[in-house]
Amino acid sequence: DIQMTQSPSSLSASVGDRVTITCQASEDINNYLSWYQQKVGEAPKLLIHDASNLETGVPSRFSGSGSGTHFTLTISSLQPEDIATYYCQQCHNLPRTFGQGTKVEIK
Amino acid sequence: QVQLVESGGGVVQPGRSLRLSCAASGFTFSTYDMHWVRQAPGKGLQWVAVIWRDGSEKFYAHSVKGRFTISRDNSKNTLFLQMNSLTAEDTAVYYCARERAYCTSTSCFSGVYYYYGMDVWGPGTTVTVSS
Repeated sequence: DIQMTQSPSSLSASVGDRVTITCQASEDINNYLSWYQQKVGEAPKLLIHDASNLETGVPSRFSGSGSGTHFTLTISSLQPEDIATYYCQQCHNLPRTFGQGTKVEIK
Repeated sequence: QVQLVESGGGVVQPGRSLRLSCAASGFTFSTYDMHWVRQAPGKGLQWVAVIWRDGSEKFYAHSVKGRFTISRDNSKNTLFLQMNSLTAEDTAVYYCARERAYCTSTSCFSGVYYYYGMDVWGPGTTVTVSS
């Protein structure tokens, strides 16, 4: 199984800060990487697919990059509504695997 | 409106069974592979199972293989998860989700699809295994 390792597990930043979350795959997954946002009490929401493609309606302050085994999710200017846990997930093969999540809080 | 709605969760004793359903609407259900993903209290997301759009293939997480069965009824736009021999470790919110896929002019011919994210999720149904 492909292991997905996210870091950090949590972070606290101020409104307007640039936030970066990293995700490392245990083997090459090309760009078959999705990012999800999950707010408390809600289902996950797909933010980015294929490592860097923003879903329709997702604010442009979110961006993704990477290929192979190393990926990043960046929030260019953190907003209060971005408080959530973020997960990476590989779509390269089965079983689908998620990172352990990164909880983002406002300082 | 594209929508998935799970049902069937509840409190069940260890060793017993439960069947979850996921009703789809607003899209052509039979053209999507469908997944179950779960989330234990305070924990992260864990993939559980997938079923191909035509029901021809099914795959499971190691932790549920042999105990859980995923199925679908494309005529009723409904996904199912039959869960047997439940343990406390199965306590979680269970989500159904559809996964998008595409194929190229050459890969379609050989049935090879490329997947790009679970774009629609249900609100989840809670399963609690407790005596």
